[in-house]
Amino acid sequence: GAGVSQSPSNKVTEKGKDVELRCDPISGHTALYWYRQRLGQGLEFLIYFQGNSAPDKSGLPSDRFSAERTGESVSTLTIQRTQQEDSAVYLCASSLVWKQFFGPGTRLTVL
Amino acid sequence: SQQGEEDPQALSIQEGENATMNCSYKTSINNLQWYRQNSGRGLVHLILIRSNEREKHSGRLRVTLDTSKKSSSLLITASRAADTASYFCFSFGNEKLTFGTGTRLTIIP
Repeated sequence: GAGVSQSPSNKVTEKGKDVELRCDPISGHTALYWYRQRLGQGLEFLIYFQGNSAPDKSGLPSDRFSAERTGESVSTLTIQRTQQEDSAVYLCASSLVWKQFFGPGTRLTVL
Repeated sequence: SQQGEEDPQALSIQEGENATMNCSYKTSINNLQWYRQNSGRGLVHLILIRSNEREKHSGRLRVTLDTSKKSSSLLITASRAADTASYFCFSFGNEKLTFGTGTRLTIIP
């Protein structure tokens, strides 16, 4: 069956521009996670959606970052006024219970 | 989420040898999972161990869990070049997600 998909796979943008990253989770998965991974570094948790509960936004690094999820389907991560330090791979994962299924990630480069 | 810790941060071994990596966490957990990441992209789930389990096997993988020490280990036996990757542990407890910084494993042919 289809796994988690993310788009675009690569995004190059100029400093100060806004970007939107999309995640399509596995159908029926109630939980959705966003992570960031800078080059050569570990994972950073950004935000977690679980069903209709209020999202856990505790990992969002600044108010330039926001995310939305439509019901239990697609999610978008928006970064406003991008900075060079936002350059990273942004990973999305979905799960039904505990096991997370990761998408291939979006590589964001801010020039 | 809270950060756990993994050690070592990097490990290089000869093909055929066993690789052991460790993970520590801070709160009580429901379960702990290990994931593998190739080439800096998406992670792949390897194995899950529940808090009431002490050891679990899956193929060449053996996971142990010591809840008294809040630690887990992942053993990969008879390593192969394809095992070269980064390995992360994720723990779930009290509706909180904790994960480590990862161990970078390199298998030398």
